[in-house]
Amino acid sequence: DAGITQSPRYKITETGRQVTLMCHQTWSHSYMFWYRQDLGHGLRLIYYSAAADITDKGEVPDGYVVSRSKTENFPLTLESATRSQTSVYFCASSPGTSVYEQYFGPGTRLTVT
Amino acid sequence: EDKVVQSPLSLVVHEGDTVTLNCSYEVTNFRSLLWYKQEKKAPTFLFMLTSSGIEKKSGRLSSILDKKELFSILNITATQTGDSAIYLCAVRSGGGADGLTFGKGTHLIIQP
Repeated sequence: DAGITQSPRYKITETGRQVTLMCHQTWSHSYMFWYRQDLGHGLRLIYYSAAADITDKGEVPDGYVVSRSKTENFPLTLESATRSQTSVYFCASSPGTSVYEQYFGPGTRLTVT
Repeated sequence: EDKVVQSPLSLVVHEGDTVTLNCSYEVTNFRSLLWYKQEKKAPTFLFMLTSSGIEKKSGRLSSILDKKELFSILNITATQTGDSAIYLCAVRSGGGADGLTFGKGTHLIIQP
């Protein structure tokens, strides 16, 4: 199906484990983003990528790693999960910046116990 | 640091009422302001505003931007229960990361 998808949709993991959240888009959009959404904070940018092999930090990058070897995929890895990383994670994509809206994936609800 | 403030944080009205949601911002080198609607899932795009004074309209929803006073409003007329959602305001600026800076959202509840 066309669009932007995330997997898994729900994940429970233990403190200290490595977790990778997947994001895939079929529009060939140049830009991809990872946000986390928490009560009281709204959506905050973790990392973004302007193109394959180009990534940059957002507002809250600590504890996260991203890669973009292919235009369509933008995985987010929590190298050693902490309880503070319990959140809903949204991936988004955009054909460009400035005058383009971002299209959001369905989200991944991650719980770190 | 870019800042986006939405008000009110929550609002309860009756079906048929008109509501106005507010968004003010302080950002470096403003590029655009976007409104999203979120109903227990991914945010869905409503409007993007780049110029002052030009109203964007879609059915019962409309929005306008004031770049001099640094705010935007989202109006919903003749509200319906299906309008119940969190409405998010986001701003793209030219300084720093290319992502959007979001406000905390307005939680709108429409009572029948």
